[in-house]
Amino acid sequence: EDKVVQSPLSLVVHEGDTVTLNCSYEVTNFRSLLWYKQEKKAPTFLFMLTSSGIEKKSGRLSSILDKKELFSILNITATQTGDSAVYLCAVIPNSGYALNFGKGTSLLVTP
Amino acid sequence: DVKVTQSSRYLVKRTGEKVFLECVQDMDHENMFWYRQDPGLGLRLIYFSYDVKMKEKGDIPEGYSVSREKKERFSLILESASTNQTSMYLCASKSGDGRQYFGPGTRLTVT
Repeated sequence: EDKVVQSPLSLVVHEGDTVTLNCSYEVTNFRSLLWYKQEKKAPTFLFMLTSSGIEKKSGRLSSILDKKELFSILNITATQTGDSAVYLCAVIPNSGYALNFGKGTSLLVTP
Repeated sequence: DVKVTQSSRYLVKRTGEKVFLECVQDMDHENMFWYRQDPGLGLRLIYFSYDVKMKEKGDIPEGYSVSREKKERFSLILESASTNQTSMYLCASKSGDGRQYFGPGTRLTVT
């Protein structure tokens, strides 16, 4: 059975800290991995990763995929209170239409 | 930008009532999805549709049905609402590269 596991489940940091969120997966016929940010509303898209070893970057957020070890990390540098959210990882298999979601990492950034 | 809208942000229904949740997307996407999101369980797929009048069960279809009469509209139906269907319901639409775009969500409470 396909599986996506995120760690940690929750995290509390101070503003300015750097955080690393983890996502490991066991998915048959992997196609792509996506990261979403969810505040008190619908998930919003952050990154899509398809190739191993290529970093995607957007401002203070970056992500990289390791297809050999079957994991991805999401880094946030110089965290701000506005980064507080649930971060979701999802995997697209080649064979299916639907995403397989992890349970998310809840990040709280305190002032 | 892709826009996915849902008919209600908040809904309160009584046990046994028939409930309709509607979702509309404006990007001519073929694939649309309904998820429910509960604390500790993450996002779980209820149903998806890959074309007009075509539907597939997701992981938790029991107690739900769907309707897709037009490409832009995907409806989720609770035939007889029960308290265990109290949840956040999220609709999504999928682009060709696999990315899913989410609507704002409907928080349904069944009393």
